[in-house]
Amino acid sequence: LAKTTQPISMDSYEGQEVNITCSHNNIATNDYITWYQQFPSQGPRFIIQGYKTKVTNEVASLFIPADRKSSTLSLPRVSLSDTAVYYCLVGNNYGQNFVFGPGTRLSVLP
Amino acid sequence: AAGVIQSPRHLIKEKRETATLKCYPIPRHDTVYWYQQGPGQDPQFLISFYEKMQSDKGSIPDRFSAQQFSDYHSELNMSSLELGDSALYFCASSSRKQRYNEQFFGPGTRLTVL
Repeated sequence: LAKTTQPISMDSYEGQEVNITCSHNNIATNDYITWYQQFPSQGPRFIIQGYKTKVTNEVASLFIPADRKSSTLSLPRVSLSDTAVYYCLVGNNYGQNFVFGPGTRLSVLP
Repeated sequence: AAGVIQSPRHLIKEKRETATLKCYPIPRHDTVYWYQQGPGQDPQFLISFYEKMQSDKGSIPDRFSAQQFSDYHSELNMSSLELGDSALYFCASSSRKQRYNEQFFGPGTRLTVL
């Protein structure tokens, strides 16, 4: 299973754009990159998934360079409610378990 | 929309007792996952089932077992409970037929072992 590395924590202010980068040097050819958000005492919640280049949805963008050894989750104009732990996971889409490595604790300040 | 249901939501047990956690996946989802999350820790994958067959196995202790039934609900059976088993236990479900195969997590069962 591909191992991921993310910053332990990040601070930001309301209204700013936040970029969280994840390293996954041994990503396999059929692996996807998925990001989850988790609030205290709640189950993780899917944010976005991508395979290569750029993916955008209503809440975030995911940038993946050509070598796919890293990815960047971009949260535009964060608010206080975006304070949470963000996890980058790498795995295939055939039910293989996704390993939750140490996530990034994002604190959004007023 | 229907979500993943877990029961009970809270459970208190004594050391060496047994516990059974139940999970009801989203209808038509074919895969169920179990995770354990200790205080201040990241979710740890325990085990998963695809179409009622064990799919992957993670860091599930030998004292734990799980199965998925014909109606797709799953149960996590925990025996000889230890203090260190106190944690939030999440069940998640997904469908390989969906584009992203994203996992939908339930609200969790908080197990406290005294």
